[in-house]
Amino acid sequence: GENVEQHPSTLSVQEGDSAVIKCTYSDSASNYFPWYKQELGKGPQLIIDIRSNVGEKKDQRIAVTLNKTAKHFSLHITETQPEDSAVYFCAASSNAGGTSYGKLTFGQGTILTVHP
Amino acid sequence: DSGVTQTPKHLITATGQRVTLRCSPRSGDLSVYWYQQSLDQGLQFLIQYYNGEERAKGNILERFSAQQFPDLHSELNLSSLELGDSALYFCASSLNSGYNEQFFGPGTRLTVL
Repeated sequence: GENVEQHPSTLSVQEGDSAVIKCTYSDSASNYFPWYKQELGKGPQLIIDIRSNVGEKKDQRIAVTLNKTAKHFSLHITETQPEDSAVYFCAASSNAGGTSYGKLTFGQGTILTVHP
Repeated sequence: DSGVTQTPKHLITATGQRVTLRCSPRSGDLSVYWYQQSLDQGLQFLIQYYNGEERAKGNILERFSAQQFPDLHSELNLSSLELGDSALYFCASSLNSGYNEQFFGPGTRLTVL
């Protein structure tokens, strides 16, 4: 089955700096890659996603890049703010084989701390 | 607010007991997913239902079962509970099966004493 590795496990930055979180996946059939932000006591919140027919996607201060050949994708947060502090999860999903299911395989998570 | 609701928020019970967790998907979503989040295992997919039918199964124990009702709400039943079942249980929903966006509920925190 799919395996998703996420690095780093913790990331500490100063307000205004950029933060980058990287993930690799194992299943070449994976074609959907969402990123979730989880704050303490809350459920994961979808912040951005990318599909395998796209190499990069941007939404204000957040961008995601995908390298299908290398099987890795990254989350980039620019101009970080203290409210960006949370746990970030990458995930991968596939609907290969015509089964059309969308279960997500998650990375281990990155604890991002943005210092004012 | 994702639009996915889960009840109860917290559940404390004893080993050997049985509990039921409930999830209501976002309006219009046909697919419901259950995930377990624990410190040692991370976020793990348990099971998916689509329009009342089981669609995919992950690392779900035989002591656990789920169903999706005609009104599309779903229930996750956990029986013969063990200490190791203590975790956060999340429900997510998506418009249909496949690789659409999944929106997560606030979760149910289960503590087994």
